[in-house]
Amino acid sequence: DGGITQSPKYLFRKEGQNVTLSCEQNLNHDAMYWYRQDPGQGLRLIYYSQIVNDFQKGDIAEGYSVSREKKESFPLTVTSAQKNPTAFYLCASSIGWTSRAKNIQYFGAGTRLSVL
Amino acid sequence: DQQVKQNSPSLSVQEGRISILNCDYTNSMFDYFLWYKKYPAEGPTFLISISSIKDKNEDGRFTVFLNKSAKHLSLHIVPSQPGDSAVYFCAAHPNFGNEKLTFGTGTRLTIIP
Repeated sequence: DGGITQSPKYLFRKEGQNVTLSCEQNLNHDAMYWYRQDPGQGLRLIYYSQIVNDFQKGDIAEGYSVSREKKESFPLTVTSAQKNPTAFYLCASSIGWTSRAKNIQYFGAGTRLSVL
Repeated sequence: DQQVKQNSPSLSVQEGRISILNCDYTNSMFDYFLWYKKYPAEGPTFLISISSIKDKNEDGRFTVFLNKSAKHLSLHIVPSQPGDSAVYFCAAHPNFGNEKLTFGTGTRLTIIP
């Protein structure tokens, strides 16, 4: 079954702690993304990667870091510098960026992060 | 600056009737538009899209209309079914090579049996 897997489904962070959210896809997609959703708000882009070993900041990158060492994987680290990390985090992927028709993004089921 | 706006946070529609969800955008560089549906605690799923070279795209019960001069698009669902109850997001993409989608804030649709 092809798709995007996010883990864990729920995550708790203590003060001063870094936590890493996992995102894996077996769709052979080149592009991957991380979004944050807060109650009553839309999806805000944190980071995105169009190709392995390359990534760009989105609209709200401060306090977050990513890596893209493999095509299938795009983990997101929420660092202690992120002062308001409680949110629902969504990972997405798409085939590529060279054609409008390829810009459909497919999402994982999300990770809900809470602060203890 | 909210470039994609969904001004109705919620909408209730009787089962079997038409649901119309609206979306406005301000960036004239947007030329590709998508609608996503999202259930609670799940990721959004792609519904339907439209390119700026068209003014209508239909897929089963779902039709998206685009009015470029008004910078407005709408999603029509007919007939509405209970399973359509969800949050609907519109998203837009600019006309240069870039994968970034800009999402609206969403409209919660409730279908009343």
